[in-house]
Amino acid sequence: GENVEQHPSTLSVQEGDSAVIKCTYSDSASNYFPWYKQELGKRPQLIIDIRSNVGEKKDQRIAVTLNKTAKHFSLHITETQPEDSAVYFCAASRQGGKLIFGQGTELSVKP
Amino acid sequence: DAGITQSPRHKVTETGTPVTLRCHQTENHRYMYWYRQDPGHGLRLIHYSYGVKDTDKGEVSDGYSVSRSKTEDFLLTLESATSSQTSVYFCAISGDSENYGYTFGSGTRLTVV
Repeated sequence: GENVEQHPSTLSVQEGDSAVIKCTYSDSASNYFPWYKQELGKRPQLIIDIRSNVGEKKDQRIAVTLNKTAKHFSLHITETQPEDSAVYFCAASRQGGKLIFGQGTELSVKP
Repeated sequence: DAGITQSPRHKVTETGTPVTLRCHQTENHRYMYWYRQDPGHGLRLIHYSYGVKDTDKGEVSDGYSVSRSKTEDFLLTLESATSSQTSVYFCAISGDSENYGYTFGSGTRLTVV
């Protein structure tokens, strides 16, 4: 079955810097890759997703890149702000499949 | 909010007792999922459902059962609770067989003492 590895487990950056979180997946048939943000005590919420027919997708300060050959995808946050502090999860699934999540990255943005 | 609610929000139970968690949705979505969240493990799939009376096992299904008798309700039962089942449980829904992002409920924090 699918296995998703996420790194780093914790990440601390200064406000205004960029943050990058990386994930690798094992199932070459996976074709959907969402990212979730979970603030303390809250539910995970979808922030951006990418499908396998696209190499990059941007939404304001957030971007996701996908390398199908290497089976890895990354989340890029530019101009970080304190409100970006949260736990971020990557996930992967194949057509009609279930989302398998990475272990999570705790991002801390220091003012 | 988001058309999905979980109950209870918090529960403390004793080892060996059965526990049932409820997920209720008003979105008429076909797919429903139960995940547990533990530090260092992310979100792990327990069971899922792709329609009324259609359920299947996920990664960590041992000790859990589910039922879905109506589109809107997906129940998770811990048959005989153990301390290793202390966790935060999230229900999620998605609307299509195509891959779409899930909408999560607010979670149930379960403590087994």
